[in-house]
Amino acid sequence: DAGVIQSPRHEVTEMGQEVTLRCKPISGHDYLFWYRQTMMRGLELLIYFNNNVPIDDSGMPEDRFSAKMPNASFSTLKIQPSEPRDSAVYFCASSLKSRGGERETQYFGPGTRLLVL
Amino acid sequence: QKEVEQDPGPLSVPEGAIVSLNCTYSNSAFQYFMWYRQYSRKGPELLMYTYSSGNKEDGRFTAQVDKSSKYISLFIRDSQPSDSATYLCAMSVGGSARQLTFGSGTQLTVLP
Repeated sequence: DAGVIQSPRHEVTEMGQEVTLRCKPISGHDYLFWYRQTMMRGLELLIYFNNNVPIDDSGMPEDRFSAKMPNASFSTLKIQPSEPRDSAVYFCASSLKSRGGERETQYFGPGTRLLVL
Repeated sequence: QKEVEQDPGPLSVPEGAIVSLNCTYSNSAFQYFMWYRQYSRKGPELLMYTYSSGNKEDGRFTAQVDKSSKYISLFIRDSQPSDSATYLCAMSVGGSARQLTFGSGTQLTVLP
């Protein structure tokens, strides 16, 4: 398996522009997570989905952020309008619901480095 | 105050040294404790996973949990240059380990 795939790997945009980050989870995984990592705040969970349904979006910082998962193999995180303080590395992760006492493990993608000027 | 505190380092040690990485936490509801390793410009990867107080060993790595003190540790024996990375502790209330709370990470460099 190719692992979790994220695109683009780097994004530079100007304040006020719309930014869309994309994620393809590991095939067969039923949970998908979006995280943001900054020096100041570390790694923070923004939102997670189960079977394409958003379960907890309490970490989404503002209404400017939205996430969708139209199918099991694709998710987007959108920022509109973007602001300089949104500059961070955004990670997508996926996991498989534990069965028979197996441990659930989140597998992270390589991240998207976002810079908002 | 953050729920999980971790010394950011950086920590620099010579090859072969024993490394000790630590986190403290304030939420007594945390039951599951993990250590992730993150290489530069990569996503975190799970290294160790523990549930109860005590020690868990995996090769050169030992994870230790002291729930009474709300303190967890990761020990790396015979450290190698390839261990150079940022180490993040993570915790969750439930066993599903979905809603993880991460420490800020400790940057480790092992010098050859």
